[in-house]
Amino acid sequence: ELKVEQNPLFLSMQEGKNYTIYCNYSTTSDRLYWYRQDPGKSLESLFVLLSNGAVKQEGRLMASLDTKARLSTLHITAAVHDLSATYFCAENYGGSQGNLIFGKGTKLSVKP
Amino acid sequence: DVKVTQSSRYLVKRTGEKVFLECVQDMDHENMFWYRQDPGLGLRLIYFSYDVKMKEKGDIPEGYSVSREKKERFSLILESASTNQTSMYLCASSFQPGQGGNQPQHFGDGTRLSIL
Repeated sequence: ELKVEQNPLFLSMQEGKNYTIYCNYSTTSDRLYWYRQDPGKSLESLFVLLSNGAVKQEGRLMASLDTKARLSTLHITAAVHDLSATYFCAENYGGSQGNLIFGKGTKLSVKP
Repeated sequence: DVKVTQSSRYLVKRTGEKVFLECVQDMDHENMFWYRQDPGLGLRLIYFSYDVKMKEKGDIPEGYSVSREKKERFSLILESASTNQTSMYLCASSFQPGQGGNQPQHFGDGTRLSIL
């Protein structure tokens, strides 16, 4: 069964703290995507991870991919309120069509 | 920048009506997708298309159909709307892997559809 599991699904953090969101997936895909969604808005692409050991960083967010463990992580460093959003990981399973299967999302709330 | 435009942000329809949701992309992407998003369920793929006049069922196609007459436009049709189709609908597009690298799917702003 194809599935992508994120945890935690809800995360309340204080500003300045660090935390990691985990994304486990079920296939041997080597393509993993992270998206951000603000309330009432659409999904915005954050990172595209294309190979084992890939690491991408943008500001306070860093994403990594371990294809052997079928695990991707999104690490948040020194969280700020502006990072409050829902974060989705998605695995490519669709071969030439590039179909994605999404996790249920992690709702992050950063409090002062 | 990639632009994926959905025709309506909010739509209210009645049970039994035929409903059309339109999506247009301006990046010459081969692939186009329709998802619905519901609280606690995440995004679920309804239909996708990888070429003009081609369509494939996703995970939850029942009660829906699609049309892709032109490369840039992908329409989702609710044949006879029901209350359980009240949801947020998201359209996305992308190059095929290998054509434009492994770029992500780009999403429209979504249509929040209410069926009364």
